[in-house]
Amino acid sequence: AQSVAQPEDQVNVAEGNPLTVKCTYSVSGNPYLFWYVQYPNRGLQFLLKYITGDNLVKGSYGFEAEFNKSQTSFHLKKPSALVSDSALYFCAVRDTPGSSNTGKLIFGQGTTLQVKP
Amino acid sequence: EADIYQTPRYLVIGTGKKITLECSQTMGHDKMYWYQQDPGMELHLIHYSYGVNSTEKGDLSSESTVSRIRTEHFPLTLESARPSHTSQYLCASSEGPYTGELFFGEGSRLTVL
Repeated sequence: AQSVAQPEDQVNVAEGNPLTVKCTYSVSGNPYLFWYVQYPNRGLQFLLKYITGDNLVKGSYGFEAEFNKSQTSFHLKKPSALVSDSALYFCAVRDTPGSSNTGKLIFGQGTTLQVKP
Repeated sequence: EADIYQTPRYLVIGTGKKITLECSQTMGHDKMYWYQQDPGMELHLIHYSYGVNSTEKGDLSSESTVSRIRTEHFPLTLESARPSHTSQYLCASSEGPYTGELFFGEGSRLTVL
């Protein structure tokens, strides 16, 4: 069965410093990987996705993520954090067609990012 | 900006009441989903639909039911609400079966007293 793990409940970083939010996954086939952000009392917003191709994926608001197949990871990164980046971040995974999975998106437990001025 | 709407945004009701959470999207997406979000943040898939007249239960067992009579509309109903149903409910839709990202509504926060 597919699964995704976010090992950190919270990440704290100072404004201007680089940030990393970690994600590891487990799927039976090739993964489709996604990052979403949720601001307080809002729905989730799509940030970026990895389907195939370049292992470094660039997304919205200056975020990027690196797909590492050998480590089964898809960490979210940003070179310089902003206070406005403070939010809840979710990693998600979906199996590729042909596996037993029906294409549902499975989310990690979420990581709260706190950026301090 | 995503064109998917949920109403009500907030609802406080008493135990035993019937409630319906509305979800509509104007993007013509075939696939729609309901997620339940715990106070501790985790998202759990409770229902999904791959098109009109298609509904399936998700990974988390739920006493709620859904219907999909029109492509754009995917309401969720609780026949008799209980305090254990208190949660945030997020509706989403997607274009592609596997590579398409989900577009989420703003959520419906339900409190059952």
